[in-house]
Amino acid sequence: EAGVTQSPTHLIKTRGQQATLRCSPISGHTSVYWYQQALGLGLQFLLWYDEGEERNRGNFPPRFSGRQFPNYSSELNVNALELEDSALYLCASSLGAPLKNTEAFFGQGTRLTVV
Amino acid sequence: RKEVEQDPGPFNVPEGATVAFNCTYSNSASQSFFWYRQDCRKEPKLLMSVYSSGNEDGRFTAQLNRASQYISLLIRDSKLSDSATYLCVVTAGGGKLIFGQGTELSVKP
Repeated sequence: EAGVTQSPTHLIKTRGQQATLRCSPISGHTSVYWYQQALGLGLQFLLWYDEGEERNRGNFPPRFSGRQFPNYSSELNVNALELEDSALYLCASSLGAPLKNTEAFFGQGTRLTVV
Repeated sequence: RKEVEQDPGPFNVPEGATVAFNCTYSNSASQSFFWYRQDCRKEPKLLMSVYSSGNEDGRFTAQLNRASQYISLLIRDSKLSDSATYLCVVTAGGGKLIFGQGTELSVKP
């Protein structure tokens, strides 16, 4: 069974551009989470989607946005890129909300570099 | 105060040692708890869920103390392959998984 897949694996953009990152959850999973991990730092929660709706977002500016499609795959968009947006962006999926004690599984991440 | 706090690392231990990681969380409404491991520049991988009664998986034992809002992970008979960063993860309101900063473990021959 395929795990969580993310694309692209690496992305290089210049400051001010837009980046689009994609995530396909494990088959049957309806929840998708996005996290940012800057070099040497911990995982920071970005967004949570469940059943096509945005359920929660972390403390990030509005230029970080996303959506979840009917097939539960998801996109993360980052507009007006800044140098400090350079990080590993991780997507995770789970059967449902973590409050139901379901475990989340991560993709390999997209490494975004802003130059 | 951080929502999830872990022992600062790194922990440097010899093969065969027993090592314990501690984690505290601030949100008393948290319902689910997990330990993940993350290898350098890789994605976190689920190690184990943590249940109220405590649970064991081979050399790994996880404990939860809701009253003290404390979670622990014990690794017995450490292997070189256990070297990684161990992340304590707690659910928060609204479906967030809150990650601790991680504790780095280095197992030496």
